[in-house]
Amino acid sequence: EAQVTQNPRYLITVTGKKLTVTCSQNMNHEYMSWYRQDPGLGLRQIYYSMNVEVTDKGDVPEGYKVSRKEKRNFPLILESPSPNQTSLYFCASSQPPSGGGEQFFGPGTRLTVL
Amino acid sequence: QKEVEQNSGPLSVPEGAIASLNCTYSDRGSQSFFWYRQYSGKSPELIMFIYSNGDKEDGRFTAQLNKASQYVSLLIRDSQPSDSATYLCAFAGGGADGLTFGKGTHLIIQP
Repeated sequence: EAQVTQNPRYLITVTGKKLTVTCSQNMNHEYMSWYRQDPGLGLRQIYYSMNVEVTDKGDVPEGYKVSRKEKRNFPLILESPSPNQTSLYFCASSQPPSGGGEQFFGPGTRLTVL
Repeated sequence: QKEVEQNSGPLSVPEGAIASLNCTYSDRGSQSFFWYRQYSGKSPELIMFIYSNGDKEDGRFTAQLNKASQYVSLLIRDSQPSDSATYLCAFAGGGADGLTFGKGTHLIIQP
């Protein structure tokens, strides 16, 4: 089954404790992206990647890091989480390297930072 | 800056009626347009995409695009309670930064 998976699905952590949210897709897509979704603010792009070892900042990259060492994986790293990073996070992938085609979303990770 | 405007709603429509959702966008270079449906706490799922001016129909859904007016809409015929969700409009420009999403319209279908 073609899909984007994220882990963990739910996470409660404390300020300053480093965490990684994993994202993996099995569709051989070039483009992958991370979004956060907050009430009233919609989906906001954090980082995106057009291919292996190619990443770039989205609209709200502060406090986040990413890496793309393999085509299928695109982990999101919060090195020192803060309460304002409490949010619902989605990973997405798309076949065109520009990300301009249909984006397939993972199930989401609900993060709470205390 | 690329922007997408949607009425946040809630938009309340009786069951069986036509629901009309609207979206305007700022980037005249936009190439393709997407409508996603999102249930509360779930991930967005694609409903329709449209590239050319005019109408595109798929079952109960019709997407309409007017590039001159920078306007895209989604019509849902014979609305069902299961259509109650938030509908996100998105567009892709010519760049490499993927899709720009609107904040969504909350649709409620009243039984």
